[in-house]
Amino acid sequence: AQSVSQHNHHVILSEAASLELGCNYSYGGTVNLFWYVQYPGQHLQLLLKYFSGDPLVKGIKGFEAEFIKSKFSFNLRKPSVQWSDTAEYFCAVNVGHRDDKIIFGKGTRLHILP
Amino acid sequence: KAGVTQTPRYLIKTRGQQVTLSCSPISGHRSVSWYQQTPGQGLQFLFEYFSETQRNKGNFPGRFSGRQFSNSRSEMNVSTLELGDSALYLCASSLSQGGYGYTFGSGTRLTVV
Repeated sequence: AQSVSQHNHHVILSEAASLELGCNYSYGGTVNLFWYVQYPGQHLQLLLKYFSGDPLVKGIKGFEAEFIKSKFSFNLRKPSVQWSDTAEYFCAVNVGHRDDKIIFGKGTRLHILP
Repeated sequence: KAGVTQTPRYLIKTRGQQVTLSCSPISGHRSVSWYQQTPGQGLQFLFEYFSETQRNKGNFPGRFSGRQFSNSRSEMNVSTLELGDSALYLCASSLSQGGYGYTFGSGTRLTVV
């Protein structure tokens, strides 16, 4: 069965630090990849998505992710985090055809110290 | 345009009861998916409906069921509630099935006592 692994369950950083959240998936075929964010008290929002083309994807709020097919990875990055980035981040994958379900990782709680 | 609307926002039920949750997708969205969110487990897929048909189902017991109406609104039902069913139930809609990405509702927080 397909799965998504997020390596860090809880990350604490100071403002202005660089961020990289790891995400690996287990599926050898074509995938669509997503990062979602859930700010405290808010609903899940799409940060960015990869369907095809340039493996470096830019999303909202300065986030980007790089799809490395050989490593089955889709890591999320931000060069300089802000206190407002405190949230839970979910990596998700949709395998094969676009009519399949989206599988989520267990999430990474990011806490930014002011 | 209006987002995904889930009702009610909060529910408290006792073990053994049943519950029905409702989800109204974004206008024009025909696919509705349901997820269970719990601390430490993240989001676990329940099922997906498209054009009133269940297209995908997760690994949940038969106590969890759902349906979709002709206007794309969806309901989820849980019968014979157990304490472990306490969770945030999220509904997500999309234009078509799966891969175009979801728009999530705020969820229904179910507490089973």
